[in-house]
Amino acid sequence: GAGVSQSPSNKVTEKGKDVELRCDPISGHTALYWYRQSLGQGLEFLIYFQGNSAPDKSGLPSDRFSAERTGGSVSTLTIQRTQQEDSAVYLCASSLRIGDTEAFFGQGTRLTVV
Amino acid sequence: AQSVAQPEDQVNVAEGNPLTVKCTYSVSGNPYLFWYVQYPNRGLQFLLKYITGDNLVKGSYGFEAEFNKSQTSFHLKKPSALVSDSALYFCAVRDLDSSYKLIFGSGTRLLVRP
Repeated sequence: GAGVSQSPSNKVTEKGKDVELRCDPISGHTALYWYRQSLGQGLEFLIYFQGNSAPDKSGLPSDRFSAERTGGSVSTLTIQRTQQEDSAVYLCASSLRIGDTEAFFGQGTRLTVV
Repeated sequence: AQSVAQPEDQVNVAEGNPLTVKCTYSVSGNPYLFWYVQYPNRGLQFLLKYITGDNLVKGSYGFEAEFNKSQTSFHLKKPSALVSDSALYFCAVRDLDSSYKLIFGSGTRLLVRP
């Protein structure tokens, strides 16, 4: 596609429910990132996929968070048993390859846990 | 460990004056450095990057950044600020000798007053 696409753009869920956030990276991009941005805050790294290598999960805040990337393309971030502190904008980014290329960001999914 | 520091939460300048947004980094090897901008309710947009070569890098919207290896800094600059430059600015680094993931600073809010 023309850019990184994320869906849904907004999600309101009840505390304790599971949610799935989707990211379609730019076609051909081998690297994919998930970040979390809380209100007015910086970008918190969550997870990083690079090609067929094992993902870097070092930023996932708890075992309620997981992500997968199928076929080296689409990625899904899953949050189980959501808590109010999970409320944030979840940003996905992709880049053509590792190294010198910049990452392109989607518009994000705004998650609100009530 | 890789890290990026943006020491100023907010920078205030008058329109027409030069602006500087500071960034320092810490990596184990050679860095690739990036600046991104986030306008209100928008995703992150790439501004410029340093890979190698000239220490002064020019980017979008009249912005430039100076790479200083001895001071491990990559400050963002613009000779004449516009009110429309008011936004949240993020510095980021990719450590080529480490995991290649993209690490962001905490962000600096730039406010340009008329």
